[in-house]
Amino acid sequence: DGGITQSPKYLFRKEGQNVTLSCEQNLNHDAMYWYRQDPGQGLRLIYYSQIVNDFQKGDIAEGYSVSREKKESFPLTVTSAQKNPTAFYLCASSPDGDGGVHEQYFGPGTRLTVT
Amino acid sequence: AQSVTQPDIHITVSEGASLELRCNYSYGATPYLFWYVQSPGQGLQLLLKYFSGDTLVQGIKGFEAEFKRSQSSFNLRKPSVHWSDAAEYFCAVSPRGEYGNKLVFGAGTILRVKS
Repeated sequence: DGGITQSPKYLFRKEGQNVTLSCEQNLNHDAMYWYRQDPGQGLRLIYYSQIVNDFQKGDIAEGYSVSREKKESFPLTVTSAQKNPTAFYLCASSPDGDGGVHEQYFGPGTRLTVT
Repeated sequence: AQSVTQPDIHITVSEGASLELRCNYSYGATPYLFWYVQSPGQGLQLLLKYFSGDTLVQGIKGFEAEFKRSQSSFNLRKPSVHWSDAAEYFCAVSPRGEYGNKLVFGAGTILRVKS
């Protein structure tokens, strides 16, 4: 089955620790995205990548880092510099390689709790 | 400022009643328009999209949406709601001409269905 996998579904960390969230897709999509979701605020874009080895900051990139070494993988690291990391994190992908506009396909999400 | 507004945070309808969820956007040029649905603790699923052409678009699960340029609106409708439609609904836009096909989301509307 083609789709987007995010692991783990729930993640717990102590304050001051970095944590990496996994996102893998087997849809052969060029573009991948990370969003943060907080109650009542919709989804906000953290980082996105249109091609391998290239990525851009979204609206709330501070305290986060990403890498895109493989087309199918786009891991997100939540660093200790992120002031309020507890949230639901969603990964998405889309077939943007042809320059056209496409909908985004979402993974099931990872709920991160930092205490 | 560019924005997406979903005026209703919560809506409650009776099963079998009709539904309309509102979405307004503020962009210079008509953006690409989307509606997504999210069940609790899950990822987002695309209901429908509008890129151009016929202003009434049909989606999955019996949903439709109408684009009205004069009102900068893209309201979602369903003639008869089922209990399984209870979820959170997000309107999203992708501004034309911007690199990366980024999505900007509204804050969401939580739909409750009374039996």
